[in-house]
Amino acid sequence: GAVVSQHPSRVICKSGTSVKIECRSLDFQATTMFWYRQFPKQSLMLMATSNEGSKATYEQGVEKDKFLINHASLTLSTLTVTSAHPEDSSFYICSARGQEHYGYTFGSGTRLTVV
Amino acid sequence: QKEVEQDPGPLSVPEGAIVSLNCTYSNSAFQYFMWYRQYSRKGPELLMYTYSSGNKEDGRFTAQVDKSSKYISLFIRDSQPSDSATYLCAMSEGNEKLTFGTGTRLTIIP
Repeated sequence: GAVVSQHPSRVICKSGTSVKIECRSLDFQATTMFWYRQFPKQSLMLMATSNEGSKATYEQGVEKDKFLINHASLTLSTLTVTSAHPEDSSFYICSARGQEHYGYTFGSGTRLTVV
Repeated sequence: QKEVEQDPGPLSVPEGAIVSLNCTYSNSAFQYFMWYRQYSRKGPELLMYTYSSGNKEDGRFTAQVDKSSKYISLFIRDSQPSDSATYLCAMSEGNEKLTFGTGTRLTIIP
């Protein structure tokens, strides 16, 4: 089945630094990738949608200059949290969708802690 | 009012019982309905996917969609401790964007 690999699974960074999270589709071409944020005991909040080779579409209230998304190839999307602050600490999850199947395959998530 | 409503639980049932999980929604344009299982600190895993109204069965899992009532259900038969997780319903109009319920925390008691 479709597999999405997300790295790192956990990262701790200092306030003011930037963190990059990678999301790779391993056995299919991901025409569209999604980035979510999840707070404890809450559901997934869609941050942005990215299509390969074009700019990401951000949801209302999500700062595009703070959460940089790059979808340079059909198998890789990255989310960079710039100038991270403690309030950015959260669980970030990517998902990918390919043309071959309907269904959204999720990565295993990244636990970001900003200290 | 949220587009998708889901009781957050927690829900605890004894091993072997039938579990019923439900979501209601307000957007009549939703056409695709999914159930995801999420273990603690992991990404969601797709369990069931249904298009439009009807039932779908896969092993111990049965998904039902009633578009006239805007109500979807997931049934788990012969529940096992390994079924303990958070279950999320998700829906889409077909335009790629998924709308999730808040998730129901389920615990199966051995």
